[in-house]
Amino acid sequence: GNSVTQMEGPVTLSEEAFLTINCTYTATGYPSLFWYVQYPGEGLQLLLKATKADDKGSNKGFEATYRKETTSFHLEKGSVQVSDSAVYFCALRSSGNTPLVFGKGTRLSVIA
Amino acid sequence: DGGITQSPKYLFRKEGQNVTLSCEQNLNHDAMYWYRQDPGQGLRLIYYSQIVNDFQKGDIAEGYSVSREKKESFPLTVTSAQKNPTAFYLCASSSEDRGNSPLHFGNGTRLTVT
Repeated sequence: GNSVTQMEGPVTLSEEAFLTINCTYTATGYPSLFWYVQYPGEGLQLLLKATKADDKGSNKGFEATYRKETTSFHLEKGSVQVSDSAVYFCALRSSGNTPLVFGKGTRLSVIA
Repeated sequence: DGGITQSPKYLFRKEGQNVTLSCEQNLNHDAMYWYRQDPGQGLRLIYYSQIVNDFQKGDIAEGYSVSREKKESFPLTVTSAQKNPTAFYLCASSSEDRGNSPLHFGNGTRLTVT
């Protein structure tokens, strides 16, 4: 079946540091890939997505590239801020209205 | 503004009682989903519905029930058969029948059963 594996957290960085959160997936066919962010006490918000190989999703300084050859969708940001502290989820969706399959989430803490 | 409304935000119940969590959306989305979130476990799918009057079990449906009588509403009942009901419950919806449509989430209901 489909699955998503994320690097375990927590990840603690200083402000302006470079961020990478690794995500790899297992899926049949050509899934769409997503990154969601969850701030404390809230639901999940879509951060970015990519729907085919070599697509790059980007939003708010975050980027991720759909790499089919390595089945990966790593999240990166060049300079993190304290306000980026949250839990980040990688997810995939195979087709139609099938549910998202999520990774376990990676908690990021950015300190000033 | 369109969105998904989950209520209440916090819910407390005694063990042995059934409890129903509300989820309403005004996005005109066909599909709706319920996920459960526990620390360190990510999100696990409980039930989903792709169309009114139809729904499917997810990975952890035991002890839960749902209904989908209206497009806008997808309530979740946590029954007394659910062994560990204390968790954060998230409702979501999506629009088109294509895999690249994202899910839109509500702000969740935190259920505590003692």
